[in-house]
Amino acid sequence: DAGVIQSPRHEVTEMGQEVTLRCKPISGHDYLFWYRQTMMRGLELLIYFNNNVPIDDSGMPEDRFSAKMPNASFSTLKIQPSEPRDSAVYFCASSLAGGPSDTQYFGPGTRLTVL
Amino acid sequence: GENVEQHPSTLSVQEGDSAVIKCTYSDSASNYFPWYKQELGKGPQLIIDIRSNVGEKKDQRIAVTLNKTAKHFSLHITETQPEDSAVYFCAASGGSGNQFYFGTGTSLTVIP
Repeated sequence: DAGVIQSPRHEVTEMGQEVTLRCKPISGHDYLFWYRQTMMRGLELLIYFNNNVPIDDSGMPEDRFSAKMPNASFSTLKIQPSEPRDSAVYFCASSLAGGPSDTQYFGPGTRLTVL
Repeated sequence: GENVEQHPSTLSVQEGDSAVIKCTYSDSASNYFPWYKQELGKGPQLIIDIRSNVGEKKDQRIAVTLNKTAKHFSLHITETQPEDSAVYFCAASGGSGNQFYFGTGTSLTVIP
């Protein structure tokens, strides 16, 4: 398997613009996680899905952030409007059964810079 | 919720020496403890994990120990090599909720 695939790898945008990050989980994995990584806050869980349904979005920082999973092989994280403080690396991860003891496999990340 | 603390934040060792990274957790219900290695510009990659019914696990030069009573676990890397240089994250899960709780990371530098 190709692993978790994320696109784009790098995104530079201006404040106020809409940003959409994309993720393809490992085939057969039922859980998908979105994380944000910054120097100040480390790895933060934003939201996770089970069988395409959002289970816990308590980590989503503001209403400007939204995530969808229209099918088992695709998820998006959207920021609208973007702000400079959203600059970070965003990771997508997936796991097979999703239980708390199930290994999560991370994608390569999207480095977002908001000017 | 769970709180995971990781030490040290940075670690430099000479090539061939051992490196030890320690983590503590707060939720006694946590039962799964993975370790991830993150190289520059890449996503975290699982290198080893341990479950609460095991006290120690080893994979070649890497070992992890778990002390459930004290609620701490450690990563041991022996015979370090320059390619071990990376940021290492510990995590704990299995308590309330399905999420992983990550430590703040340790930047390991192996000096040739």
